[in-house]
Amino acid sequence: QKEVEQNSGPLSVPEGAIASLNCTYSDRGSQSFFWYRQYSGKSPELIMSIYSNGDKEDGRFTAQLNKASQYVSLLIRDSQPSDSATYLCAVNEKDGGFKTIFGAGTRLFVKA
Amino acid sequence: EAQVTQNPRYLITVTGKKLTVTCSQNMNHEYMSWYRQDPGLGLRQIYYSMNVEVTDKGDVPEGYKVSRKEKRNFPLILESPSPNQTSLYFCASSPLTEAGEQYFGPGTRLTVT
Repeated sequence: QKEVEQNSGPLSVPEGAIASLNCTYSDRGSQSFFWYRQYSGKSPELIMSIYSNGDKEDGRFTAQLNKASQYVSLLIRDSQPSDSATYLCAVNEKDGGFKTIFGAGTRLFVKA
Repeated sequence: EAQVTQNPRYLITVTGKKLTVTCSQNMNHEYMSWYRQDPGLGLRQIYYSMNVEVTDKGDVPEGYKVSRKEKRNFPLILESPSPNQTSLYFCASSPLTEAGEQYFGPGTRLTVT
């Protein structure tokens, strides 16, 4: 069974700090990696995608991928109370690339 | 407005009574998918579709059916619902063949008694 693992949290950080969210996956052949944000009672929304090793930055968000270690992370700089949400890591299976496996999510609280 | 819509948003039903949850997208996306979300388990894929008349099982397809007769619609059918299908259901669509960058509908909360 292919798996995506995340620490369920909650992760609590003060406003203005860097929040670091981590994810590991079991399928070494996975090619595509995604971070979704889900506010309580709402649907998931895509915030980052990453396909190759290294860092990808978009505003306050940086996604990091290390395929050798099967590890994906999301850094949120200058965290704001509005960043408080559950962050879902998602991985696409290699074969056909059509199945998506989600982690259970990490709850983040940013304290004002 | 580009969106994925689901109906109904809330549904309470009884065991064994067939139901359909509709999903429609107006973005001309090839890929559509259904997920269920349960506390502590995250999102689990039920079925997905690469295009019209092309569907395949996700990780938890038992007890569900789907059809893709039109590109914009992807209904989820529960022929004989059971209490263990009580969950929050999301439909999603994607323009990419890798189907990772998905756009989600607002969700349907289903309770089966």
